[in-house]
Amino acid sequence: DQQVKQNSPSLSVQEGRISILNCDYTNSMFDYFLWYKKYPAEGPTFLISISSIKDKNEDGRFTVFLNKSAKHLSLHIVPSQPGDSAVYFCAARAGSQGNLIFGKGTKLSVKP
Amino acid sequence: GAVVSQHPSWVICKSGTSVKIECRSLDFQATTMFWYRQFPKQSLMLMATSNEGSKATYEQGVEKDKFLINHASLTLSTLTVTSAHPEDSSFYICSARKASGIDTQYFGPGTRLTVL
Repeated sequence: DQQVKQNSPSLSVQEGRISILNCDYTNSMFDYFLWYKKYPAEGPTFLISISSIKDKNEDGRFTVFLNKSAKHLSLHIVPSQPGDSAVYFCAARAGSQGNLIFGKGTKLSVKP
Repeated sequence: GAVVSQHPSWVICKSGTSVKIECRSLDFQATTMFWYRQFPKQSLMLMATSNEGSKATYEQGVEKDKFLINHASLTLSTLTVTSAHPEDSSFYICSARKASGIDTQYFGPGTRLTVL
């Protein structure tokens, strides 16, 4: 049973436009959510996170939105840049000592 | 920053041999280190969690006798794949959680294991 789902395996966006990556979860005990960016043959890099007590967190071009009632979060990248092309993983955990549960990732391609 | 290194970055070995992968937190102490495995186009699957000085906790379905984990210090954890077989070929990634500060996991660059 997949507790964290990224239903879009890939997304293609034009440079300068907005990229929206979606993530759904099933476990209501999750209270912390993270987005990681991963290039091929490299480990994931932490991008941005959000606590369940918030509904939005912004860091530069990256904004994460959390809808607890829908058990849904999204990562917005605006404006998108070619260097943003990578696989983006959504992750969630329950409690500060909980293990991270990852989605399968969404491959973002930003076209010049 | 928080840097985690892995060594080697890639390894090719014959079936039946053992392979050791090292994971080091270079600029912070890690109370907990994690080992993940990733198959192509799949998610990162947690294999085990290790705390310094204690036995690792393995996820269901992961053979502890096959994937030996040693967390000898606050900056080093090792994963040994014993008697490797072709189905063990995968991308192995470690991560480390800081002992203090922001509770975020930092990932190593991964190790590509190919068993012939």
